Amino acid sequence: EAGVAQSPRYKIIEKRQSVAFWCNPISGHATLYWYQQILGQGPKLLIQFQNNGVVDDSQLPKDRFSAERLKGVDSTLKIQPAKLEDSAVYLCASSLGQTGVTHNSPLHFGNGTRLTVT
Amino acid sequence: GENVEQHPSTLSVQEGDSAVIKCTYSDSASNYFPWYKQELGKGPQLIIDIRSNVGEKKDQRIAVTLNKTAKHFSLHITETQPEDSAVYFCAATSPWRSSNTGKLIFGQGTTLQVKP
Repeated sequence: EAGVAQSPRYKIIEKRQSVAFWCNPISGHATLYWYQQILGQGPKLLIQFQNNGVVDDSQLPKDRFSAERLKGVDSTLKIQPAKLEDSAVYLCASSLGQTGVTHNSPLHFGNGTRLTVT
Repeated sequence: GENVEQHPSTLSVQEGDSAVIKCTYSDSASNYFPWYKQELGKGPQLIIDIRSNVGEKKDQRIAVTLNKTAKHFSLHITETQPEDSAVYFCAATSPWRSSNTGKLIFGQGTTLQVKP
C-alpha cells in the first residue's frame, strides 16, 4: 500500500511569513494526525482529525496555526505568522480506525516537512 | 495526561553487542506500547509493539518487555549491526474514552550508534 505522502519536503521562510503543508494519508485511514518534532525531541501532537472532524487540538497554538481536512481525506496545516520557534519537522500520520491508535490500528508516518524560520 | 520518559538519550555499542532502551509511563490505563525507528530525513517507522496483556514479544533480533506494575517497558536489540544506527522512540496510549482520543505520546528518543 502507498504510504503517507507529504509535501513539500523542505521549506525556508522568514519570520512573520506564512507557510502551508499538505498531507495525503493512507487510503481508507479514518484518523489523521499532525505532529511537530523539534530537533532532538520526540514528536508532539498538534491536532487529530477523525474523518473531517477535529477530536483533539489542545496543543495547537491556535493564534497562528490552523488545519483542515477536507472531505475526510487530504489535510493542510498552516502557520501564519511564523516565529523562529516554529522551526521543526512537521510530521503527518494516519491510522485506520476511528478510535485512535491501537494494536490493530497502528500509526503510520510520512517523511515530514522540515521547516526553517529565519 | 500521559507522560513518557525515555533513557538513555544516547547509546553507543560495538557491532554484535546488545542494546537496551528503557521507558516509563505515567497513565496506568495505557494499554498499547509501540517502538519506532527514525532514520535521518525520514519519518518514524514502527518496528515492534506490545499490548498490556502481554509481558514480552520477540521479532528476530528485537524484543520488547513490559512491566505493568512498575509502569515501564524496554526495547532489546541483540547482535547489533551498523544499520541499526538510528533514533528510537517509545510511545504509549490508552483506550479511547471521553478524556483520551487514543493519541500516541512519545518519549524523547534515544540515538543509537553501532560501531563497526
